[in-house]
Amino acid sequence: EAGVVQSPRYKIIEKKQPVAFWCNPISGHNTLYWYRQNLGQGPELLIRYENEEAVDDSQLPKDRFSAERLKGVDSTLKIQPAELGDSAVYLCASSFQTSGFSSYEQYFGPGTRLTVT
Amino acid sequence: GDSVTQMEGPVTLSEEAFLTINCTYTATGYPSLFWYVQYPGEGLQLLLKATKADDKGSNKGFEATYRKETTSFHLEKGSVQVSDSAVYFCALRDGGYNKLIFGAGTRLAVHP
Repeated sequence: EAGVVQSPRYKIIEKKQPVAFWCNPISGHNTLYWYRQNLGQGPELLIRYENEEAVDDSQLPKDRFSAERLKGVDSTLKIQPAELGDSAVYLCASSFQTSGFSSYEQYFGPGTRLTVT
Repeated sequence: GDSVTQMEGPVTLSEEAFLTINCTYTATGYPSLFWYVQYPGEGLQLLLKATKADDKGSNKGFEATYRKETTSFHLEKGSVQVSDSAVYFCALRDGGYNKLIFGAGTRLAVHP
């Protein structure tokens, strides 16, 4: 079974430039998460989707970050414009959840390491 | 809000030594608790979990017991191997929100 796929694995951009990250979750998983992991810290949730709907985006800096999950499958996270403080690893995860049942396990992709110079 | 605190690393051990990585949590409800491991260049993998007080999670020789009275979920292994070298993250999941809250991670280095 294929795991969570993310691309690119690494990205170096200059500040004020736009950048986008792509995630393809495990087949059949209806819930998708984007996390940001700063150096030396644990991941922090940015946004969670259930199917196409963003059900928790309270931690997403909406002035420069946007995300979409068209058709409830793969997802794109965008930053425009990027700032120096956005340098981090962006992790995507997926899980299967229905009303009354939740798989506790979130499966993580390898992440995209973003460096803003 | 809910939070997780882990012991700072790095933790450096010789092969076959005993491992303990401390983890304590703060939560208003009754969370589920997890340990994730991140090997170099890879994504986070679930190592073990416990969903209620006094549950013991175990996997690959690692164990952790959900202690509600001390709000702790310490990770232990009786005999570490070089291949256990990785970063270990303690996390909680609030039952009301399907969101993981992670500690800062503890890097483990095991030498032959």
